[in-house]
Amino acid sequence: EVQLLESGGGLVQPGGSLRLSCTASGFTFTSYAMNWVRQAPGQGLEWVSTLGSEGYNTYYADSVRGRFTISRDTSRNTLFLQMNNLRADDTAVYYCAKPRYCRDGNCYYFDPWGPGTLVTVSS
Amino acid sequence: EIVLTQSPATLSLSPGERATLSCRASQSVGSYLAWYQQKPGQAPRLLIYDASNRATGIPARFSGSGSGTDFTLTISSPEPEDFAVYYCQQRNKWPPTFGQGTKVEIK
Repeated sequence: EVQLLESGGGLVQPGGSLRLSCTASGFTFTSYAMNWVRQAPGQGLEWVSTLGSEGYNTYYADSVRGRFTISRDTSRNTLFLQMNNLRADDTAVYYCAKPRYCRDGNCYYFDPWGPGTLVTVSS
Repeated sequence: EIVLTQSPATLSLSPGERATLSCRASQSVGSYLAWYQQKPGQAPRLLIYDASNRATGIPARFSGSGSGTDFTLTISSPEPEDFAVYYCQQRNKWPPTFGQGTKVEIK
């Protein structure tokens, strides 16, 4: 069974930093691109970042590019999201998600999702 | 980026009354569209992918249709546990984008 579990959320002041982790199990971690998706309180879903299955191609939403960095540790089957220069509008539940499937180098959809970790940016 | 517009924002139904949710894309996404269900306090769950394929373990009362720019999620006879928020998502072009959601509530 595929399982994803996020950690590292919490309360941080504007301008501060936080590193989120997502521990994965039940599948070959290095075979899939992995994703972060967030949801602000009472709002919809926003894709944040993707790390390619090879471990070095990175993709970011415009809203976080230059402030967030996605990476992984294959020895621990763990995905990370380093978040710097945090702003109030980064407040959200952050979800880690595996693709539903990958084909010809592209990965599609999000399935499953972890339970999420809450990041609150406030003074 | 591709904008997905879902309608209606809220759908009020009686249990067993057929539900029809719409998702319209600002440009063609082919068949690269998914639907997710989210209940309060829970992560989203994939229901339908590639417009019409049910994900693992999803009951047959959920069905998806459409291609190009117009898509529909149908719940043939909603059960009490189906009252939730539903999101569509496209993966035809980067970046992946979501609709704003449709809340299906009990009338």
